[in-house]
Amino acid sequence: KQEVTQIPAALSVPEGENLVLNCSFTDSAIYNLQWFRQDPGKGLTSLLLIQSSQREQTSGRLNASLDKSSGRSTLYIAASQPGDSATYLCAVRPSGTYKYIFGTGTRLKVLA
Amino acid sequence: GAVVSQHPSWVICKSGTSVKIECRSLDFQATTMFWYRQFPKQSLMLMATSNEGSKATYEQGVEKDKFLINHASLTLSTLTVTSAHPEDSSFYICSAREGVLQETQYFGPGTRLLVL
Repeated sequence: KQEVTQIPAALSVPEGENLVLNCSFTDSAIYNLQWFRQDPGKGLTSLLLIQSSQREQTSGRLNASLDKSSGRSTLYIAASQPGDSATYLCAVRPSGTYKYIFGTGTRLKVLA
Repeated sequence: GAVVSQHPSWVICKSGTSVKIECRSLDFQATTMFWYRQFPKQSLMLMATSNEGSKATYEQGVEKDKFLINHASLTLSTLTVTSAHPEDSSFYICSAREGVLQETQYFGPGTRLLVL
């Protein structure tokens, strides 16, 4: 059974700092992995999607990497801003399915 | 990009009543829609997968008679919480898979349900 874990559960950093959020999954048989942002009481915003054949994806200040064999992904946020404060969710799509298995989330707070 | 809407965005109801939540794909046909539930400070958990014109597939532990799912058209799926109780209070989010670009799923904004 696929399980997705995110570390740390919460993180508080000063503005301008570079930071890394971690995601691990137990079954390497995945089709893709996606990082989402969720603001309090809101829905999901897709940030980056990495196919199983890819090693990384970049969008602006965000960079996500994928090491499928070791069951790990990282989301790197450069020059963090208070507007980056949110919960970041990692989700994997197991091979052969269309559903996503979500991680436990990392609550990020960037202090001005 | 493709948009998925949910209605209502929030609902408060009395215990014992039934609540219907709609999930619509606004500019694409969704062959498959997914319903997730998120309890406070927890992650999203998949409840069921619905395919247009067929019965929904429920995840283990989800009561199909309590959470009725109807996917009658390629742009609409509904989730009905029957005889709702306070423990059903949660954030319900749907996602829709576009029939052509099968790799992409689009998530709705969510519906917050509070059962008193």
